[in-house]
Amino acid sequence: SQKIEQNSEALNIQEGKTATLTCNYTNYSPAYLQWYRQDPGRGPVFLLLIRENEKEKRKERLKVTFDTTLKQSLFHITASQPADSATYLCALDLYSGNTPLVFGKGTRLSVIA
Amino acid sequence: DAGITQSPRHKVTETGTPVTLRCHQTENHRYMYWYRQDPGHGLRLIHYSYGVKDTDKGEVSDGYSVSRSKTEDFLLTLESATSSQTSVYFCAISAPGQGGEQFFGPGTRLTVL
Repeated sequence: SQKIEQNSEALNIQEGKTATLTCNYTNYSPAYLQWYRQDPGRGPVFLLLIRENEKEKRKERLKVTFDTTLKQSLFHITASQPADSATYLCALDLYSGNTPLVFGKGTRLSVIA
Repeated sequence: DAGITQSPRHKVTETGTPVTLRCHQTENHRYMYWYRQDPGHGLRLIHYSYGVKDTDKGEVSDGYSVSRSKTEDFLLTLESATSSQTSVYFCAISAPGQGGEQFFGPGTRLTVL
């Protein structure tokens, strides 16, 4: 069966450290993989997109890797801050854009000062 | 938020009553989506639209119908609400040629008693 899993439901990390979140999938062949941030009571907000032929993408303190052999994406936040506390969702885009996304359940990140 | 509004933002209704949720966008994007978000399940696609009067079913479409008579409006109808449809509903939009990233509305919290 097809599955998309994010490694843990919750992750606590000390301020200033690097947070690493994992997204694994089985029986999918996504064209793109996307990461979103969701704050309590709000809709998800798009952060980064990485294509199947890209290994790594960076945006400010964020870095995403995509390994289609392992069927895994890693999402890193360097120099984490309490304001980074939120739920982070990974999503698969199976058909190269403008098709419905398949979302993981999310990882709730808490950055402790 | 990228020009997306949802109404109502909160609704309490009784089992068996019809309910219509509205999503309105000012971005003139072609693609619109309805998701529901539940603890333990994450975001799941209900229906989506790829143009005026063009819609398709998602993973959890049973008990829901949609209509799109104008580019800017996408309506989700629960013909006869059930307690299992208690959830937070999110509308999203995406534009062609932009990698498929989606922009979400603020959500509607629906409670069916």
